[in-house]
Amino acid sequence: DGGITQSPKYLFRKEGQNVTLSCEQNLNHDAMYWYRQDPGQGLRLIYYSQIVNDFQKGDIAEGYSVSREKKESFPLTVTSAQKNPTAFYLCARDGSNEKLFFGSGTQLSVL
Amino acid sequence: AQSVTQLDSHVSVSEGTPVLLRCNYSSSYSPSLFWYVQHPNKGLQLLLKYTSAATLVKGINGFEAEFKKSETSFHLTKPSAHMSDAAEYFCVNSGTYKYIFGTGTRLKVLA
Repeated sequence: DGGITQSPKYLFRKEGQNVTLSCEQNLNHDAMYWYRQDPGQGLRLIYYSQIVNDFQKGDIAEGYSVSREKKESFPLTVTSAQKNPTAFYLCARDGSNEKLFFGSGTQLSVL
Repeated sequence: AQSVTQLDSHVSVSEGTPVLLRCNYSSSYSPSLFWYVQHPNKGLQLLLKYTSAATLVKGINGFEAEFKKSETSFHLTKPSAHMSDAAEYFCVNSGTYKYIFGTGTRLKVLA
């Protein structure tokens, strides 16, 4: 699995609800990323973090929040401000030689 | 700013015929370029990477890509398509601390 674990595999959100997607890595790497995948739009960067307690907005950060309190954990919260949250969410870590390792993803749907 | 454009959203080829997936890039400095593949219900996997050592890059499963600075292109090729090559392919440009994905090309291989 490239040392990166996402959970849950499927998640459902009710209107007005915040939900949190988990991403954990066990290989002590610094850089971690969150992408959103929609059909025909590829992967779009939501947030990324290079070190603990620091993170940067990507191209589509509105309606999302993250934290990086521990090196191994980079959770993504989809807030109620995100009006179109249905998508496949992928977390990744940077490996050696600029190789990205991806988790297996979380499919988020709206009830 | 770094960017990539995948010129075809869908490509269909017959089994045993050549594959060409096209990617143009934009970069304000010498780019790092990648091709990733995503098989149905599977994670993303690195096919190959260009980082200026050689303009022709060989990857896994018989794929290769040629970096052409004059054309700002990084097209992915394979001499003979196999049914197992059917997947979505992403061209990626590495920017400062982040990776920019193209919109993807879905490859269909016909028997």
